[in-house]
Amino acid sequence: DVKVTQSSRYLVKRTGEKVFLECVQDMDHENMFWYRQDPGLGLRLIYFSYDVKMKEKGDIPEGYSVSREKKERFSLILESASTNQTSMYLCASSLGTDLTTVPGSGANVLTFGAGSRLTVL
Amino acid sequence: AQKITQTQPGMFVQEKEAVTLDCTYDTSDPSYGLFWYKQPSSGEMIFLIYQGSYDQQNATEGRYSLNFQKARKSANLVISASQLGDSAMYFCAMREALSGGYNKLIFGAGTRLAVHP
Repeated sequence: DVKVTQSSRYLVKRTGEKVFLECVQDMDHENMFWYRQDPGLGLRLIYFSYDVKMKEKGDIPEGYSVSREKKERFSLILESASTNQTSMYLCASSLGTDLTTVPGSGANVLTFGAGSRLTVL
Repeated sequence: AQKITQTQPGMFVQEKEAVTLDCTYDTSDPSYGLFWYKQPSSGEMIFLIYQGSYDQQNATEGRYSLNFQKARKSANLVISASQLGDSAMYFCAMREALSGGYNKLIFGAGTRLAVHP
């Protein structure tokens, strides 16, 4: 099974701190994504990457940056954390860029990590 | 812009009964895909079922089926014979095409399902 591992399940940080959220996948997936989940808003895409060293802005990139130095690792960086960045952060990866699937196989769909719940005080 | 709408913030169902979770979508793309994910209290999003816009038949995966009504732009999830372990948050999502042949998923706000014994 594909494993997407987010190293920190719970973090508490102070306003202005630099925060790193790490995500590692072990199935050689090309594509990785960072989402933010808030009640009533669902999941919103922050950044994504379809290759090493490549990054693209999602729908809400302000206040965030990312790093993808190795294929298996995609890091989300909050340069100066603010209270409005208190949220659940979900990392995901996929094998193919088309995000479709063969019935019964689940191939090419997004596979998610367990999430990192960040509180900024 | 593409959009996914889930109008039921919360639902409850008796164990062993069927339940329908609503999802409507808006897109101008002729080719799209619709997904349902389950998020238990542990936090991990679990893929349940997928429907392509050109698929003639409604998708089914075990106790999950997707009631796809293209003209109404709805993709409701039906869970048959509910179990206590089905209590979770459920998200509807749609594939949105980006430039360069890439895609992303956009998600609805979610529906929290509670299964009562």
